[in-house]
Amino acid sequence: KAGVTQTPRYLIKTRGQQVTLSCSPISGHRSVSWYQQTPGQGLQFLFEYFSETQRNKGNFPGRFSGRQFSNSRSEMNVSTLELGDSALYLCASGEDNQETQYFGPGTRLLVL
Amino acid sequence: SQQGEEDPQALSIQEGENATMNCSYKTSINNLQWYRQNSGRGLVHLILIRSNEREKHSGRLRVTLDTSKKSSSLLITASRAADTASYFCATDGGSSNTGKLIFGQGTTLQVKP
Repeated sequence: KAGVTQTPRYLIKTRGQQVTLSCSPISGHRSVSWYQQTPGQGLQFLFEYFSETQRNKGNFPGRFSGRQFSNSRSEMNVSTLELGDSALYLCASGEDNQETQYFGPGTRLLVL
Repeated sequence: SQQGEEDPQALSIQEGENATMNCSYKTSINNLQWYRQNSGRGLVHLILIRSNEREKHSGRLRVTLDTSKKSSSLLITASRAADTASYFCATDGGSSNTGKLIFGQGTTLQVKP
């Protein structure tokens, strides 16, 4: 099976803009989780979607949102970008009732 | 952090030596996983150990879990230059099937050829 894919791989935006990142999970996986990775805060959980419903949410402001489509593909959106949003955004998918998550290569976002 | 600490933060060894890294966590868990990350890329799953297990092996990897001390260790035997990466432990924080992993800060391992 093909692995988790994320697009785009790199992105440069300016403060105040918004951005949409995309994630395609492994075929058959209905759970998609998003994480933010920064040198200072490490890996932090953003949210998880399962069958088009947000099942869990981390401690991020409302500027961070996401959705999942019927084919399990997921997008996350960050509005009104801040410099501190510069990070590697990782998407992971998982099988039903399985704890292991399979990660994509990430999208590196730089906010100037 | 939510998760706790991993130590050491950085480790440098020669090829062929063993590498041991430790992870502590704060909450109850159902399982603990170890992941590897090469140079700012995605994470690769290495091994999962359940809360009722004390030790698990996978190839050159050996993981131990002590739930009474809320700690785990990852041993990589006969290390290779290709093992150079950052290693993270992650737990489910005691909640199953939430899609949420709580990560440690990671250990950066350098294996010198």
